[in-house]
Amino acid sequence: QSALTQPPSASGSPGQSVTISCTGTSSDVGGYNYVSWYQQYPGKAPKLMIYEVIKRPSGVPDRFSGSKSGNTASLTVSGLQAEDEADYYCSSYAGSNNYVFGTGTKVTVL
Amino acid sequence: QLQLQESGPGLVKPWGTLSLTCTVSGGSISTTSYYWGWIRQPPGKGLEWIGSVYYSGSTYYNPSLKSRVTISVDTSKKQFSLELSSVTAADTAVYYCARDGRYSGYQVAIYTFDKWGQGTLVTVSS
Repeated sequence: QSALTQPPSASGSPGQSVTISCTGTSSDVGGYNYVSWYQQYPGKAPKLMIYEVIKRPSGVPDRFSGSKSGNTASLTVSGLQAEDEADYYCSSYAGSNNYVFGTGTKVTVL
Repeated sequence: QLQLQESGPGLVKPWGTLSLTCTVSGGSISTTSYYWGWIRQPPGKGLEWIGSVYYSGSTYYNPSLKSRVTISVDTSKKQFSLELSSVTAADTAVYYCARDGRYSGYQVAIYTFDKWGQGTLVTVSS
């Protein structure tokens, strides 16, 4: 299976919104409502931010939201804050008990 | 709270076998809702799922690595392990262990890695 496609970078000013896309196929993103998003700071482990497309784990700010349309999932960060500057990865269940991750997006807060 | 910690050699010779162990603390490894997985990240690159194991020993592997990977579990020690054979420089990466939600349950995130270890860098070099 091929990695899900994400834009290499995205940016926004504090207080603005930024949306990251995650494009797959009907065999992964489009076929299941099991898309997750992870935030990763340099040298640190990924942290789960969104699961099952739209759900937020306890403790994740509601500024983070997820959605999906067809074979493309999206993560939106509203009210951008300096601490949101990080790498973001999507992942999807890909059937047959497999997972596929996205290529990653570096979010910069201007 | 649940914590995971990777351990093992940081340097492996080419064509050798990479062996890592993940120790689970603050919770049970024998929970029915979760598998336990390994994910890796080459320096400066993205994440790749390697495989996952259930407390019963049932395993799932990434098809691209399946021929070289073995993941096992020792519930008495609350540990699960990764072996990757015939390694090359391309296997140099930070290796993470993580909890893999697979079956519905109270507050279970399905098909998601919700708890991660801190990661350990393994370099393949002579």
